Amino acid sequence: EAGVVQSPRYKIIEKKQPVAFWCNPISGHNTLYWYLQNLGQGPELLIRYENEEAVDDSQLPKDRFSAERLKGVDSTLKIQPAELGDSAVYLCASSSRRGAGNEQFFGPGTRLTVL
Amino acid sequence: KNQVEQSPQSLIILEGKNCTLQCNYTVSPFSNLRWYKQDTGRGPVSLTIMTFSENTKSNGRYTATLDADTKQSSLHITASQLSDSASYICVVSAEGNKLVFGAGTILRVKS
Repeated sequence: EAGVVQSPRYKIIEKKQPVAFWCNPISGHNTLYWYLQNLGQGPELLIRYENEEAVDDSQLPKDRFSAERLKGVDSTLKIQPAELGDSAVYLCASSSRRGAGNEQFFGPGTRLTVL
Repeated sequence: KNQVEQSPQSLIILEGKNCTLQCNYTVSPFSNLRWYKQDTGRGPVSLTIMTFSENTKSNGRYTATLDADTKQSSLHITASQLSDSASYICVVSAEGNKLVFGAGTILRVKS
């Protein structure tokens, strides 16, 4: 079974440019998460989807960040415009209600560098 | 405020030695506690999960303990290997499957 797929793996952009990250969760997982992870820190939740509905986006900086999961499967996270402080790893995870303790399975992440 | 604190921040040990990582939490209400291993450049992978009633859980050379009264957990690694070099993250699940992550302990195993 394929795991969570993310692309691109690495992205380098100049500040004020837009950037988008893509995530394809494990097949059958209805819950999808986007996390931000700074160096030496644990992941911080940005947004959680239950199918196509965003049920927790309280930590998403809505002035520049947006996300969508139109068909309840894959998802896109966008930053426009990017700032220097957005440099981090963006992790996507998915889970199933049938999993033990709703275990979240993580993708490899996209490392963003804003110059 | 829900928090998870881990110690030490980083650790260097020789191959074959044992080590113990610590996790203290103030998450309430508590649902479960997981230890994740995160290799460099990869996403976290779950090692163990413990609910309120479980005191210990093993996964090969990894043994996690949980004291729900003192809200402390530990992860013991036996006979360390070079491949154990990674960040180990303690994650506590609160009500509604909201996860609270620790900052992680960076372990480096030297030959």
